[in-house]
Amino acid sequence: KNEVEQSPQNLTAQEGEFITINCSYSVGISALHWLQQHPGGGIVSLFMLSSGKKKHGRLIATINIQEKHSSLHITASHPRDSAVYICAVNRGASKLTFGTGTRLQVTL
Amino acid sequence: EPEVTQTPSHQVTQMGQEVILRCVPISNHLYFYWYRQILGQKVEFLVSFYNNEISEKSEIFDDQFSVERPDGSNFTLKIRSTKLEDSAMYFCASTWGNTGELFFGEGSRLTVL
Repeated sequence: KNEVEQSPQNLTAQEGEFITINCSYSVGISALHWLQQHPGGGIVSLFMLSSGKKKHGRLIATINIQEKHSSLHITASHPRDSAVYICAVNRGASKLTFGTGTRLQVTL
Repeated sequence: EPEVTQTPSHQVTQMGQEVILRCVPISNHLYFYWYRQILGQKVEFLVSFYNNEISEKSEIFDDQFSVERPDGSNFTLKIRSTKLEDSAMYFCASTWGNTGELFFGEGSRLTVL
């Protein structure tokens, strides 16, 4: 069983839709990261969370430590949001353990 | 905005050849990492580096791999004798603190023929 599970694996949405991507993890963590991987392969950090909720523009990330669950929300989605969104966790320190990613396609 | 830079962006090599992938982390960062992503698979941890030594490595990081910070700015990953299964995208990342936000480079795509 993967330590970090994401759902859905693939997601297609129309422009303007509200999008939710979920991440569950099975181990104790010190922080959870949401990352965006562009079609060209580059990875950008979106959020790092250890509790509560963070917002940046149209992106919102929440985490429930007791439930071992996090969500990434995109409001008013746009075709430029099309990418792979990856959840990854820190266990204590140092390395990240990655989920398999959610491929998002936003169409006009 | 400061960024992590990686070179080359793409390298094609023959099996058995040595490859060096280079990274310039963000200047005030103290922790450095290499990750890899085989095509179609998830990103995997290879090695972390702090205070001029390896702090953690995965089972993937066998004797064929080595890392170095030769001059205080570059951070290199060497694969001594490449195998077909080393074909992947290799990402360098850095952070100021060991649980801080990670900054990734754009990746180096290695193709082993």
